[in-house]
Amino acid sequence: QVTLKESGPVLVKPTETLTLTCTVSGFSLSNGRMGVSWIRQPPGKALEWLAHIFSNDEKSYSTSLKSRLTISKDTSKSQVVLSMTNMDPVDTATYYCARIGQYRYYMDVWGKGTTVTVSS
Amino acid sequence: EIVLTQSPGTLSLFPGERATLSCRASQSVSSSYLAWYQQKPGQAPRLLIYGASSRATGIPDRFSGSGSGTDFTLTISRLEPEDFAVYYCQQFGSSLLTFGGGTKVEIK
Repeated sequence: QVTLKESGPVLVKPTETLTLTCTVSGFSLSNGRMGVSWIRQPPGKALEWLAHIFSNDEKSYSTSLKSRLTISKDTSKSQVVLSMTNMDPVDTATYYCARIGQYRYYMDVWGKGTTVTVSS
Repeated sequence: EIVLTQSPGTLSLFPGERATLSCRASQSVSSSYLAWYQQKPGQAPRLLIYGASSRATGIPDRFSGSGSGTDFTLTISRLEPEDFAVYYCQQFGSSLLTFGGGTKVEIK
């Protein structure tokens, strides 16, 4: 069974760096042409793709947020980490990680999401 | 970056009716890389359709996807009570993914 679980702080202050972890099970981050995407959703708004990383370490970032994002993986821990610098209240959202297939580019299994509030 | 525009923003229908949701792209999208998701309040999105017309595992056959180029459609043939939700289209192109703004299907 494939599962993903997001973890990280519930509250961050403006200008701080957010670090989120996605712990996966049921598939490999080191082979099999699979990867993990991060997607966020501000309250009452649409989904926004942030970044993804594949088993071959290929990475891609949202154009509008590229300068603030870093995605990486630790295959030994089955984890993918997303860092977002210089957080602002507009970054308040539910952050999801999801499995994505390389060369298929859709998300077939999602985590439940973690809510992050940016406030002083 | 390809922009996806979904219409209508809200669709008010009775259970049993047919729902037709539109997703229009600002430039041509490969059909292989067009997907649809369903999201209910408080839940993560669920994959419905990938490759524009292939149903994901466990998705009932009342859900169907079609289209090519810049115009794609999600059809729900007969709305069941559990189908009232928000639907998003998503595409991949030039190494970037984008989502549409969503269509809310609500009970009339």
